[in-house]
Amino acid sequence: QKEVEQNSGPLSVPEGAIASLNCTYSDRGSQSFFWYRQYSGKSPELIMSIYSNGDKEDGRFTAQLNKASQYVSLLIRDSQPSDSATYLCAVSPGSGNFNKFYFGSGTKLNVKP
Amino acid sequence: DVKVTQSSRYLVKRTGEKVFLECVQDMDHENMFWYRQDPGLGLRLIYFSYDVKMKEKGDIPEGYSVSREKKERFSLILESASTNQTSMYLCASSFVNGNTIYFGEGSWLTVV
Repeated sequence: QKEVEQNSGPLSVPEGAIASLNCTYSDRGSQSFFWYRQYSGKSPELIMSIYSNGDKEDGRFTAQLNKASQYVSLLIRDSQPSDSATYLCAVSPGSGNFNKFYFGSGTKLNVKP
Repeated sequence: DVKVTQSSRYLVKRTGEKVFLECVQDMDHENMFWYRQDPGLGLRLIYFSYDVKMKEKGDIPEGYSVSREKKERFSLILESASTNQTSMYLCASSFVNGNTIYFGEGSWLTVV
């Protein structure tokens, strides 16, 4: 079993603050890492992917990866009420395993106006 | 845009009924997946398929079967529905070496 762990939350932050979401994974062979956002009653949508150590920025979102520590995080700057959702971390071993994806149970984020 | 379509969004079935959940993708993806999502348990992989007529069990295949007769279509079958199969079911697809999967809108199944 490939484990992906997330704090279930809820994580509450005020509007305009930075929200920090964390994820750890157990398989050291994991190559690809993803953050999905899921609004209540909707399907997950991809917001960030990261494949190498360090930071990757896309607008208000920054993904951070540390393979040595088996840790991936998502920072949301200038949080907006519309960011309120559950954020799912996913990892994949990459090639050679039919690209199976393993998901955490998600962290619920509440951004308060 | 990638389109993964799950034709049945909301279903209510009786215990013991046979249930078919259909999924179609329009991006010529080789891989297709069926997950179920339950509160606190996250997304759990039921089955996946990497080619027509090819399938592999995921983490929770018991009580389910799948069919992939055409590349674009992947069906999940509950041979005899039980109340513990009440859940949201998500279909997804990806390229064989792709690093992203795309989800359908989900099918909410209630078994009474």
